[in-house]
Amino acid sequence: EVQLVESGGGLVQPGGSLRLSCAASGFTFSSYSMNWVRQAPGKGLEWVSYISSSSSTIYYADSVKGRFTISRDNAKNSLYLQMNSLRAEDTAVYYCARSGSIFGVVLFDYWGQGTLVTVSS
Amino acid sequence: DIQLTQSPSFLSASVGDRVTITCRASQGISSYLAWYQQKPGKAPKLLIYAASTLQSGVPSRFSGSGSGTEFTLTISSLQPEDFATYYCQQLNSYPQVTFGGGTKVEIK
Repeated sequence: EVQLVESGGGLVQPGGSLRLSCAASGFTFSSYSMNWVRQAPGKGLEWVSYISSSSSTIYYADSVKGRFTISRDNAKNSLYLQMNSLRAEDTAVYYCARSGSIFGVVLFDYWGQGTLVTVSS
Repeated sequence: DIQLTQSPSFLSASVGDRVTITCRASQGISSYLAWYQQKPGKAPKLLIYAASTLQSGVPSRFSGSGSGTEFTLTISSLQPEDFATYYCQQLNSYPQVTFGGGTKVEIK
C-alpha cells in the first residue's frame, strides 16, 4: 500500500525556518518524481515545488523561489522541503504528492495527510 | 502562467441531483486536466485524469469531459458522500501545474 507521511510542521515566527519531511513507503520511491502542494486555511490548492526522481530537475512556484529548497534522499525514501525566511502568507497545510503516470499521462495519484505550518509571532 | 477558473464556486444540491462543475483554462491545455475531491481535513483524492478518464476505484457516477479550454465534471446522481470541495488541475505545463479555485458542493 502506497503511503506518504509528512512531518515537521509547527508554529514558527516570521523570518524563521522549518524543514518538512515526507516519508514514503509501499512503492519504489527512487522511480518517481515528487511534489509539494500547500493549502492556506480555508483556501484552495497551490503547487509549491517539484523534484525529479534523480533530483536532476527542480522547479519552484514564484511565491517561494529563493526561500524554499526541495530535496530528497532515495536511500531513505524521503522527500524534504527546507523553508527559510517564512512569512505569514506561508501559513498552510503542506502536502507531499507523488507524480504517477498511467499510459504516459502524468497525475498526482497519491497524497500524504498533510502537515500544518503556522507562521506567526 | 495558465489560470483555471471554476464555476460555480459554491453550489447547493440534493441527494439524487445531477451536478455539473465547469473549469475554464486561460489558454488551451489539450486534455491535460485532472479533477480532485477533497473533504474537510483530508488530502485531495484524484477522481479523473486526462480530462475524462476515471481513476481506478472511483464510482461511475463521476464523469469528465472537455478539451482545449473548457472542461466539465459531472456527478450523475449526487450521493451523501459526494458533498465535498472539487478542484480541477492543469498539467499542460507540468511540472508547474496550477489548480482551479474550487467548487464546494453542499447539501440543500
